[in-house]
Amino acid sequence: EPEVTQTPSHQVTQMGQEVILRCVPISNHLYFYWYRQILGQKVEFLVSFYNNEISEKSEIFDDQFSVERPDGSNFTLKIRSTKLEDSAMYFCASSEAGRDTQYFGPGTRLTVL
Amino acid sequence: AQTVTQSQPEMSVQEAETVTLSCTYDTSENNYYLFWYKQPPSRQMILVIRQEAYKQQNATENRFSVNFQKAAKSFSLKISDSQLGDTAMYFCAFMKPYSGNTPLVFGKGTRLSVIA
Repeated sequence: EPEVTQTPSHQVTQMGQEVILRCVPISNHLYFYWYRQILGQKVEFLVSFYNNEISEKSEIFDDQFSVERPDGSNFTLKIRSTKLEDSAMYFCASSEAGRDTQYFGPGTRLTVL
Repeated sequence: AQTVTQSQPEMSVQEAETVTLSCTYDTSENNYYLFWYKQPPSRQMILVIRQEAYKQQNATENRFSVNFQKAAKSFSLKISDSQLGDTAMYFCAFMKPYSGNTPLVFGKGTRLSVIA
């Protein structure tokens, strides 16, 4: 069964550094999402992406965040200058055109020191 | 803005027993979608069940079923014949009327422990 994959599973970085989190959505899906889960808290929406454009973003998704689909398979989330409060689990999700169900990847745990 | 409330931070159930997890939500929309996701210790979010608000019939998936009460804005999850593998965090999620890539709004989750 097709799955959303994410790399790396765990990323440790120093405050102020740039990180790129990578996702490979399910191949025939057209809609992509990033969510964040700070430890012990609920999952929060960051951004949705379709046709090489951001469709919707939350107030969390400020100028330090960006997303890109650099090729036909990868979907990335970049954090330009990481802060301690960016430490969280980041989930990528994808969905088919015309379908409401989103399928999640296993997540990347980001630790900012 | 829509909100999702899960009032039970933690629950436990004996193996083979039945447990019900509660979820309420607030919205002014008439058509929407509701989901339950499971997050085991491995942390991957797995879809358990979905419900379309315009369908009166409650969704079922094997041992999992929902009790959808639209007027009360309630969407509880019933797990029958609980198994050790059901131990996980369970999140209720809401989606406003679907328009292509509509985000999910999650509750805070209920940690379920199945005890042998």
